[in-house]
Amino acid sequence: AQSVAQPEDQVNVAEGNPLTVKCTYSVSGNPYLFWYVQYPNRGLQFLLKYITGDNLVKGSYGFEAEFNKSQTSFHLKKPSALVSDSALYFCAVREKEYGNKLVFGAGTILRVKS
Amino acid sequence: DGGITQSPKYLFRKEGQNVTLSCEQNLNHDAMYWYRQDPGQGLRLIYYSQIVNDFQKGDIAEGYSVSREKKESFPLTVTSAQKNPTAFYLCASSSLMRGYEQYFGPGTRLTVT
Repeated sequence: AQSVAQPEDQVNVAEGNPLTVKCTYSVSGNPYLFWYVQYPNRGLQFLLKYITGDNLVKGSYGFEAEFNKSQTSFHLKKPSALVSDSALYFCAVREKEYGNKLVFGAGTILRVKS
Repeated sequence: DGGITQSPKYLFRKEGQNVTLSCEQNLNHDAMYWYRQDPGQGLRLIYYSQIVNDFQKGDIAEGYSVSREKKESFPLTVTSAQKNPTAFYLCASSSLMRGYEQYFGPGTRLTVT
């Protein structure tokens, strides 16, 4: 079965500094990877995905993610953090054999302080 | 939250009662999903449906039931058999032809006392 792990429960960063939220994956075959963001009491918003092609994927709100096959990682990054980026972030991987369901990591809380 | 609506936003029920959560989408997506979110556990799949009149159990289907009579609608019933129903429930949909990303509704917070 496919799985993803988010090793950090929480990441703290100062406004204006670069941020990284980590994700590692375990899949058979080529992974389809996704990042989502969730604000309190809201649904998840899609940020970006990697299916194939360039290892650096650009997404919404200035976020990007780097796919690294040798390290089985898909870290989310942003060059300059905003206080409004503070939220819960989820990494996910597609399970092709089960209706294309997504398997989610436990989530990482990002706190950006001014 | 795209073209997916969930109602109600908050729902309160007494233990032993069945309750149905609504999910509607106007994205013309074939696939729809129900997830349960508990603090610190991410999202877990309850049921999914790829076409009308067909659905499959997810990882935690016990105590839940669904129907898919229309492409746009995928209601979830939380039955009295669900031992710990208090949670945040999220509905999602996706196109099976492109992208595979899922789009989520705003969620329903169910509290059972």
